[in-house]
Amino acid sequence: DGGITQSPKYLFRKEGQNVTLSCEQNLNHDAMYWYRQDPGQGLRLIYYSQIVNDFQKGDIAEGYSVSREKKESFPLTVTSAQKNPTAFYLCASRTGQEYNEQFFGPGTRLTVL
Amino acid sequence: DQQVKQNSPSLSVQEGRISILNCDYTNSMFDYFLWYKKYPAEGPTFLISISSIKDKNEDGRFTVFLNKSAKHLSLHIVPSQPGDSAVYFCAASKSTGANNLFFGTGTRLTVIP
Repeated sequence: DGGITQSPKYLFRKEGQNVTLSCEQNLNHDAMYWYRQDPGQGLRLIYYSQIVNDFQKGDIAEGYSVSREKKESFPLTVTSAQKNPTAFYLCASRTGQEYNEQFFGPGTRLTVL
Repeated sequence: DQQVKQNSPSLSVQEGRISILNCDYTNSMFDYFLWYKKYPAEGPTFLISISSIKDKNEDGRFTVFLNKSAKHLSLHIVPSQPGDSAVYFCAASKSTGANNLFFGTGTRLTVIP
């Protein structure tokens, strides 16, 4: 079964701690993305990667870091520098072709206490 | 600056009637548009898309209309079913560059049985 998995579904952390969210895809997609969703808002792009070992900042990259060492994996680290880390985080992937939709994972709800 | 706007945060429709969800965009470079459906605490699922060379695309009960001169697109669902109740996001991208998606803030559709 091809798809995108994100783990865990719910995550709790104390303020000041870094936390890493997992995203894995077995769709053989080249590009991967991280979004954040806050209540009443759309999805905002944090980071994206179009190819292994390369990634770019999105609109709200401050306080986040990523790596893309393998095609199927794109973990996101929420650092203590992120001022409002509590949110719903979504990972997505797509093929490298034009006019293709992004496929989304089930999301991770991060709550910082 | 919100480049994709969904000005109606919510919409209620009777079962069997037509649902019309609207979306406006400001960037004339956008040439590919998508609609996603999202349930709470889940990732968005792709619904339907349209490229700027067309003005209509139909898939079963779902039709997307694009008016490039007005920078406006709409999603028609007919007939509406209770299972269509969800948040619908409009998204847009440019075929040049990274093909990143720009999302609207979403419209919550409630279909009343």
